[in-house]
Amino acid sequence: QSALTQPASVSGSPGQSITISCTGTSSDVGSYNLVSWYQHHPGKAPKLMIYEVTKRPSGVANRFSGSKSGNTASLTISGLQAEDEADYYCCSHAVFSTWVFGGGTKLTVL
Amino acid sequence: EVQLVESGGGLVQPGGSLRLSCTASGFTFTTHDMHWVRLATGKGLEWVSTIGIADDTSYPGSVKGRFTVSRENAKNSLYLQMNSLRAGDTAVYYCARGLRGSTFDYWGQGTLVTVSS
Repeated sequence: QSALTQPASVSGSPGQSITISCTGTSSDVGSYNLVSWYQHHPGKAPKLMIYEVTKRPSGVANRFSGSKSGNTASLTISGLQAEDEADYYCCSHAVFSTWVFGGGTKLTVL
Repeated sequence: EVQLVESGGGLVQPGGSLRLSCTASGFTFTTHDMHWVRLATGKGLEWVSTIGIADDTSYPGSVKGRFTVSRENAKNSLYLQMNSLRAGDTAVYYCARGLRGSTFDYWGQGTLVTVSS
């Protein structure tokens, strides 16, 4: 199972919006509405930001939103804040009861 | 408050073995799938194993046959037995709680495993 494809880095200024893409295949993203997004500050525990493509856990700001079209999922962060600077990973359920992650995207808030 | 605390990481030689533990608290352990995920320097997260509430297990091809996940419900504990370790297994290993088979909703802080001679 190959890793999902994410851009290595994205950047934006405070207050702007950014979108991170996550491209998989018909064996993972395209077949399951079980895409999640995680925020990871190095040295800390990863934090769930979006699950089941569009759902936000309690406590996650509504500036974070998710979507999916075909084999590509996306995470959009609006109203960027300095604290959003982190690594972001997508994850999808895949065939044969497996899970596959993306390579990660480093978000820089300028 | 959900807490997951990993332990057991360290330096091991290639071909060696290591057993990781994860102690859970703040939730009913027996009603959740549990997972191991690792993060190697310069790479992305990689799913390592899953154990369901019925002790059903799954692994990716990269560790199948070498790693074994288990759980001890009486101790709210998750384990990962890692054998025939390779340099490519060097990573921070996280345990994570499963949420209704849809995602990993809580993660621990991780434990570092270094495979080197």
